[in-house]
Amino acid sequence: EAAVTQSPRSKVAVTGGKVTLSCHQTNNHDYMYWYRQDTGHGLRLIHYSYVADSTEKGDIPDGYKASRPSQENFSLILELASLSQTAVYFCASSDAGTNNQAPLFGEGTRLSVL
Amino acid sequence: KTQVEQSPQSLVVRQGENCVLQCNYSVTPDNHLRWFKQDTGKGLVSLTVLVHENDKTSNGRYSATLDKDAKHSTLHITATLLDDTATYICVVGDRGSALGRLHFGAGTQLIVIP
Repeated sequence: EAAVTQSPRSKVAVTGGKVTLSCHQTNNHDYMYWYRQDTGHGLRLIHYSYVADSTEKGDIPDGYKASRPSQENFSLILELASLSQTAVYFCASSDAGTNNQAPLFGEGTRLSVL
Repeated sequence: KTQVEQSPQSLVVRQGENCVLQCNYSVTPDNHLRWFKQDTGKGLVSLTVLVHENDKTSNGRYSATLDKDAKHSTLHITATLLDDTATYICVVGDRGSALGRLHFGAGTQLIVIP
């Protein structure tokens, strides 16, 4: 069954610390994405990747790095976590096709930076 | 500037009642519009996608319309169930492939009470 698995599901981090969020997909999808969701706002794209070993900046990349070591895995890295990065983070994957296919989302990682 | 506006922000209905959720957008081009359901603490799950001018779709108790001239979509939920309690998110894609950007609304929180 197609799936996107995120880990951890929740994390508490200290300001200035390093945080790594992981995502694994079993859908054989080329595209993977990291979004953040803040209360009262729509999801915003942080980074995405369309092939292993390559990542692209999304709309709000500042303060975040991404890594795509394989087609299945995509990580989001906060080198120096800040209070403003407290949010729920979603990973998604999609086919590169042209049929308006829906991206598949993970269940999210709730990050609290204290 | 928010390009996808949803209304109402929240809505409470009694089980068995019908409800209508609204989505207005300014995204250009507007290749397609998708409605997602997000259960509390979960990821987004696609309900339906609308592509063409004056498109209408039906998926069980969910039905949706799209007016591309007015840049407006509605999601109708018929005979609501307690399990319909969730946030419903309107997303506009500016292309039909993964190369395009997805523009997310902030969602309508629907609460169905007995």
